[in-house]
Order: sequence, then C-alpha cells, then structure tokens
Amino acid sequence: DVKVTQSSRYLVKRTGEKVFLECVQDMDHENMFWYRQDPGLGLRLIYFSYDVKMKEKGDIPEGYSVSREKKERFSLILESASTNQTSMYLCASSFQRDQETQYFGPGTRLLVL
Amino acid sequence: AQKITQTQPGMFVQEKEAVTLDCTYDTSDPSYGLFWYKQPSSGEMIFLIYQGSYDQQNATEGRYSLNFQKARKSANLVISASQLGDSAMYFCAMREDDYGGATNKLIFGTGTLLAVQP
Repeated sequence: DVKVTQSSRYLVKRTGEKVFLECVQDMDHENMFWYRQDPGLGLRLIYFSYDVKMKEKGDIPEGYSVSREKKERFSLILESASTNQTSMYLCASSFQRDQETQYFGPGTRLLVL
Repeated sequence: AQKITQTQPGMFVQEKEAVTLDCTYDTSDPSYGLFWYKQPSSGEMIFLIYQGSYDQQNATEGRYSLNFQKARKSANLVISASQLGDSAMYFCAMREDDYGGATNKLIFGTGTLLAVQP
C-alpha cells in the first residue's frame, strides 16, 4: 500500500512566522507535489519535484518555497506566513511512468492568524 | 490552455440509486489522461478511476464507471447503487501535457459535493 504522510493535520501560526510543512512517501516515487485547496477553486499546484534537489514552480508559487533533499521527503516552506495562506495543503507523489495516478496525503489544514 | 470544468457544485442522490457527475475538458493534445478522485470529509484524496484518451472502452472499477465521450470532450463519472459512504467531494482531473517528460502533473476541476440521502 502506498503511504503518503504529512507532518501535521492541523496547524495554527501567526502572521510573519516561518512555516514548514513536511511530506514523506514510502513508495520510491520520483515525483512529488504540493497543492493548496480552497473552496470553489479546486486544487492548485504550488510546486512539484521530479527528482532530488529538483523543483519546478506550479501555478501559484508566490510566497512559497520547497526543499527536496531526499527522495522520500518534500517540504513546503512559507517564508513569512500571511492570512491569505490559510488553506488546506495537500501533498502527493507518483511514479514518472505515463498515466500513473498521484497518491495523496491526508492534508494539513493551516490557519494563519 | 488545458482546462477541466465541473458545473455541478453539489448534488443529492437517494441511497441505492445511480448518479452521474459531470466533467468536461479542453485540450489540444491528442494524448491525455482523465482521472476521478473522491475526497471524504477526512480530507484525503482517493483515486477512483482512470481513462486514457486512446482507450477504446469506457473504464470501470466496481460501482464506478466513466462515461467517456471523446467528441464531446466529456468524462462523466457514474456511481451505481449509491451508498451513504459515497457522500464526499468528487474531483475530475486531467494529466497535463508535458511532452513526454512524465511529470504527471494534473489539472483539477472545482469539484462536486455529493450527498447521499437514506
């Protein structure tokens, strides 16, 4: 069974704090993804990574950065959290083979006050 | 630009009845893949079914089937014999064209919230 875990289910932070969201997968997937999910907007891709130390911007990278030092771990960093980053954050991973589905973690609900 | 549209923000269905969730897509790429995911209140996205653009037959997985109409660019999800546990948000997604790079990036629709009534 594929397992994607995220470090926290719920997180409350103050404006201006640096926030780390961690994601770990145990299936040796090459690709890893970070999304945010907001009502009425579906899932929007923030960043993705196709290899260790490799990253590419998604559709909404502003205000975020990522780190992939090991194949199984992909971190999302909010350098200075703002209230408009209050959202549900979902991590996913997949093989690079064509037509492979993505497997998702349980999500982190972040509230920035 | 590629796009996924789900026009039904929410739906009701009676337990044991079938329900169709609509999804239309837009792409100029002849090779693409379409996915459906279920997101229960717990938040985790669960993969349900996949349809490739060159697949001759509609995909089926248990009570889920995908009504793929290529000319109309639609990929509706059909759930037969609805159960209370089917109450969830459902997302349609399309694999983004990456010119053979296999990054498997997905574009998601805005979702349909399904409520199954006893």
